[in-house]
Amino acid sequence: SSELTQDPAVSVALGQTVRITCQGDSLRRYYASWYQQKPGQAPLLVIYGKNNRPSGIPDRFSGSSSGNTASLTITGAQAEDEADYYCNSRDSSGNPRVFGGGTKLTVL
Amino acid sequence: EVQLVESGGGLVKPGGSLRLSCAASGFTFSAYSMNWVRQAPGKGLEWVSSISSSSSYIYYADSVKGRFTISRDNAKNSLYLQMHSLRAEDTAVYYCARGDENYDLLTAFYYYYMDVWGKGTTVTVSS
Repeated sequence: SSELTQDPAVSVALGQTVRITCQGDSLRRYYASWYQQKPGQAPLLVIYGKNNRPSGIPDRFSGSSSGNTASLTITGAQAEDEADYYCNSRDSSGNPRVFGGGTKLTVL
Repeated sequence: EVQLVESGGGLVKPGGSLRLSCAASGFTFSAYSMNWVRQAPGKGLEWVSSISSSSSYIYYADSVKGRFTISRDNAKNSLYLQMHSLRAEDTAVYYCARGDENYDLLTAFYYYYMDVWGKGTTVTVSS
């Protein structure tokens, strides 16, 4: 089991805002990074650090962190945002990297 | 173009061995830590192993510790994963990913991220 907990599935109406969360004790000291994965494709980094977007990632993607929870927010979700989203950070037992279980985002 | 290309996957019997390679291009390979991440069929991402830029720091997930060995050759811009005692549960697509890290001075938070990924190579462990 992962030490970073994500909701398995979330849905959002086209054009609306959705927040995907990731919970874990390590998030009180470490920022999460967020990855988007579409079927048959490799993961793609969308958010890292406090709230940084790699080049080419639309500004509708943003990140935040509070207490033991990291959040990925998509403001004005588009059909192409339908994908699996994974958080990644350090875990509380010493492993330098661990992924959350993933959240399947459906855009209605 | 920044690129990672994995190779070496295939079908192997339980208990067998396999060596994966990841060829890097388009960036200064020796300046970055590197990672192996895998994804079993229909499952989520699982971090497997990380190696620092100079190979000084190496980490493994508990699930592969003692069976897998990560290494790199900075002169050849290549990352490797030697896998022994393979099990059915090691069946997965294996991705290599470039890592980078930073520290936020204002919040005292550290963060690590994987910003370049290969397309993956498939490992199937079956008799």
